[in-house]
Amino acid sequence: SQQGEEDPQALSIQEGENATMNCSYKTSINNLQWYRQNSGRGLVHLILIRSNEREKHSGRLRVTLDTSKKSSSLLITASRAADTASYFCATSRQAGTALIFGKGTTLSVSS
Amino acid sequence: DARVTQTPRHKVTEMGQEVTMRCQPILGHNTVFWYRQTMMQGLELLAYFRNRAPLDDSGMPKDRFSAEMPDATLATLKIQPSEPRDSAVYFCASGLQGGRTNEKLFFGSGTQLSVL
Repeated sequence: SQQGEEDPQALSIQEGENATMNCSYKTSINNLQWYRQNSGRGLVHLILIRSNEREKHSGRLRVTLDTSKKSSSLLITASRAADTASYFCATSRQAGTALIFGKGTTLSVSS
Repeated sequence: DARVTQTPRHKVTEMGQEVTMRCQPILGHNTVFWYRQTMMQGLELLAYFRNRAPLDDSGMPKDRFSAEMPDATLATLKIQPSEPRDSAVYFCASGLQGGRTNEKLFFGSGTQLSVL
């Protein structure tokens, strides 16, 4: 079974609003990563948070990790039309093992 | 910028034909992954290699799929014979992994495969 599951499956917002996506996983992890995929393209790494970290920021992105609840959230602040894409969380159970991806959240940002 | 290169970008073939997809990982990366993406299943791990040695190919249908790394600059994924249910986008990704943590992956643009 997949390690990570994103929620919601789809999200539609207006430019300037914040977008929050959640990820839940089932087992202990080494780290959790978020990726973005534009239509017809490969995935692009956004941010990595290690199991001993609780929050991380990168530009307009904020990621939180709650290992007790086995969940993470990705917040995109002041969204732009260019943020329209699918967002995936990915986890690995331990160092050296493969990343397992969820099915993603499709974000649509309208101007 | 260094990037993962996949060829071909698109492939249309008939059922029963052999399909070979190629991937050039980023120089210096020690781990190469093959993923398959479909609407129904999302991103599925097919196989991965570290230092060219296969670590896990449990995600691949063994009777028709094979993955190899003949050298550090080339990874291949073959399907023989292909079936319509193999239609999907196949991604190659590479990264520098090992030690105490997994670092980020770099993905190619994918091979969109259609088996008629």
